[in-house]
Parts: sequence; C-alpha cells; structure tokens
Amino acid sequence: EAQVTQNPRYLITVTGKKLTVTCSQNMNHEYMSWYRQDPGLGLRQIYYSMNVEVTDKGDVPEGYKVSRKEKRNFPLILESPSPNQTSLYFCASSPQGMSTEAFFGQGTRLTVV
Amino acid sequence: GENVEQHPSTLSVQEGDSAVIKCTYSDSASNYFPWYKQELGKRPQLIIDIRSNVGEKKDQRIAVTLNKTAKHFSLHITETQPEDSAVYFCAASKSGGSNYKLTFGKGTLLTVNP
Repeated sequence: EAQVTQNPRYLITVTGKKLTVTCSQNMNHEYMSWYRQDPGLGLRQIYYSMNVEVTDKGDVPEGYKVSRKEKRNFPLILESPSPNQTSLYFCASSPQGMSTEAFFGQGTRLTVV
Repeated sequence: GENVEQHPSTLSVQEGDSAVIKCTYSDSASNYFPWYKQELGKRPQLIIDIRSNVGEKKDQRIAVTLNKTAKHFSLHITETQPEDSAVYFCAASKSGGSNYKLTFGKGTLLTVNP
C-alpha cells in the first residue's frame, strides 16, 4: 500500500531534550516536506527536500533540522525543543515538486512541557 | 513569497445546501491550485485541483473555479452531506524554478447540519 508513515504519533517531552520524528514513504517520491499545523494558522512549511542530500528552509525553519540521506526517509530533528514547538506535525511527499498531489503522513502530535 | 488568503474561516450549512469557500493568492506566477480536506483527527487529503490553463473543473458534487486575472479561486460543494463536515484548505504553488513551495490558506471549518 502506497503510504507516508510518521513515528511516533504522539509525543510528550520536556524542554531541551533532543527528539527525532521519523518520516518514510514507499512511493519513490523525490520531493518530501514537513509542515506544522497550529489552530488558526493552517499548515506552514518547515523544511523541504527536492532529492537526496538536497534540503532547504520553508517558512518556519527556526529550531528544526532535517536530513535526507535516503530517498524514502526524511526525519525532522528538534535539537532543543521549546514549548512554542508544541504542534501537530505532518510529513508529505509528492512525485514531482509541489505541483502534483501531496501525500501526507498521519501526523505527529508533539507536546513540549 | 506567495500569500494565500482563505474565507470564510467557518461555514455552517444545512444538509442539501451548497457551500462555497474562496481563496485569493498574491503571486501571479502560481499555476497549481489544490484543495485538501482534513477530517477531524485525520491527515489532509487532496479532493480536487486545478491548473492555471483551466477555468473550471468538476468532480461529482465538488467543483473548483479559477479567475487568473483576479487571482482568486473557489471551491463549490453542492448537495452537502454530513460527511462533508471537515476543515478545507486551499493552496497555491508554481511549477518550474522554485517548484518546492506549496502555500496553504488558513483553512475553513465546514459544518453540515443534518
């Protein structure tokens, strides 16, 4: 089954404790991206990757890191999480940039206390 | 960069009525306009999209119209049903060059009352 898989689905952590949210797709898509969703603000892009070893900042990259060592995986790293990073995070992939359908993962709800 | 404005933020209709959600965009180079539906607790999923060389597209009860001159596009849902209740997001992007950015509107919470 074609899918984008994120883990974990839910995470509660403390300020400053490094964490990684994993994202994996099995559709051989070149393009992957991370979004955060906050009430009243919609979906905002954090980082994107156009291919292996090619990543760039989106609209709200501060406090986040990403890597793309393999085509299928695009982890999101929070080196020192803060409470303002409490949010719902979505990973997405698409076959040819963002002018084709984006397939979203099931989301990761992160709470930083 | 691109800016997408979406209205209204909430919309309540009676079952069987029509619903219209409107979006405007700022970058005249944008040429791809998808609409995503997000049910409560679920991931966003594409329901319909339109490209700039087309003025209207229809898929059963949903349709999207695009006015490139005015830089706005709209989602039309006819004969609404309770299962249409969800948050709807419009978005805009452009192909070629900076083909990496999909900018979303802030969303519309649609409630269909039985």
